[in-house]
Amino acid sequence: EIVLTQSPGTLSLSPGERATLSCRASQSVSSTYLAWYQRKPGQAPRLLIYGASSRATGIPDRFSGSGSGTDFTLTISRLEPEDFAVYYCQQFDVSPWTFGQGTKVEIK
Amino acid sequence: QVQLQESGPGLVKPSETLSLTCTVSGGSVSSGSYYWSWIRQPPGKGLEWIGYVYYSGTTNYNPSLRSRVTISVDTSKNHFSLRLSSVTAADMAVYYCARHSSTTSNWGQGTLVTVSS
Repeated sequence: EIVLTQSPGTLSLSPGERATLSCRASQSVSSTYLAWYQRKPGQAPRLLIYGASSRATGIPDRFSGSGSGTDFTLTISRLEPEDFAVYYCQQFDVSPWTFGQGTKVEIK
Repeated sequence: QVQLQESGPGLVKPSETLSLTCTVSGGSVSSGSYYWSWIRQPPGKGLEWIGYVYYSGTTNYNPSLRSRVTISVDTSKNHFSLRLSSVTAADMAVYYCARHSSTTSNWGQGTLVTVSS
């Protein structure tokens, strides 16, 4: 199975700062099938990015995704208070579908 | 906007079968090129994909659970279901149903299933 390794595990930042989250795959993943989610306590994951770089409907443009092959990045250009959450990457290119372990973005 | 809602027992005894249903509103389980999935998250652990039923009826399961899992769809009731047999404490988790395509992903709120006698 494809293992997705997210780093860092925790990112401590202040509102207004830039957040850069990494997702590294153990083997190449088609960009078409790489997604990023945001997860807040007690809520279901919310799709942010699909196709590695396309924003989902209603997602602010401060969220951007990039990368290909085995290295993918989610960038939040300027953190808003509502952005402090856990972020997951997911691949659904190769079965079994897998998720990264998550990066927690916390207020510094 | 499609909405998904999980339902089923919140408590299952060890060795018994866990059964959950995901009711879909605002969309049809039989239309479009969607994967109707189950995903779970045990306490303190990461997200684990259990499997999906494709709109055509094709299923695909995580090999780690394949011998115990069945996902099916009922188009007349517009819902899909999960059955996981021979549960143990390791199967205690929040279970989510979701709809995926290459460009969308919609999840239910999740339901906690506890395994205990």
